[in-house]
Amino acid sequence: GQQLNQSPQSMFIQEGEDVSMNCTSSSIFNTWLWYKQDPGEGPVLLIALYKAGELTSNGRLTAQFGITRKDSFLNISASIPSDVGIYFCAGQADSWGKLQFGAGTQVVVTP
Amino acid sequence: SAVISQKPSRDICQRGTSLTIQCQVDSQVTMMFWYRQQPGQSLTLIATANQGSEATYESGFVIDKFPISRPNLTFSTLTVSNMSPEDSSIYLCSVTGPSDLETQYFGPGTRLLVL
Repeated sequence: GQQLNQSPQSMFIQEGEDVSMNCTSSSIFNTWLWYKQDPGEGPVLLIALYKAGELTSNGRLTAQFGITRKDSFLNISASIPSDVGIYFCAGQADSWGKLQFGAGTQVVVTP
Repeated sequence: SAVISQKPSRDICQRGTSLTIQCQVDSQVTMMFWYRQQPGQSLTLIATANQGSEATYESGFVIDKFPISRPNLTFSTLTVSNMSPEDSSIYLCSVTGPSDLETQYFGPGTRLLVL
C-alpha cells in the first residue's frame, strides 16, 4: 500500500520564527490536504491542494502540491502561540476517497 | 463547510459492552467516513458509510466489530462492539460533498475510554 511520510515529527520554535514541514509518498496523490488538530478537538482543514505545482496561501500558511504529485509542504510564517498543535498532511488518490494521513508534526511555540 | 456534530463527545465504558456513536451533519453530504485515532497516533480510516447499503470496510476492520448505519444523507452511526481496552481511541466522522468531493471535513470526535 501507499506509504506517506511526514517530517519532522516535532518542532520546538520561538514565537516569530517560521515553520516548515513536509510529506512524501511512495505513490501519486490527486489531492493533498493539510489539517491542524488541537487537543480534544477534531482535525480542522487548513489548506486543500488539487493540482500538481499548486501553491496556496491561507493567511500565514502556505502549502504547495509537488510537481511529482508525491509530496507536499506546509509553511507557517511568523509563528504565534496559537499555532501550537499537531499538523497532519493527508493525501487522496481518487475523487471519492479515502484519505491517507501522515503521522503528524507536533509544533510547540515558546514565547 | 458543513457543521458536523458527534454524540457522545466522550464516554467511559466497561469491557464487553458496546457503544453507538452518532454523527449528524447540518446539510446533505455525499460521502461519510469513520476514522479511528489511537492515543498519540494519526488517523486511520475504518470504513465508508454508504447510504442505504452496507458500509465499505478497510483492511483490519470488520462489520461485526464496527457495525455502521447511514439511513440518510445527514446521519450515520458507528457502533464499537464487545469493547476491550484496545478500543480506547478517538472516533471521528468526516464528510465530503455535495459540491466538493475532494475535501473532507471532520467532526469534533468521540473520546472513548474502555476499562
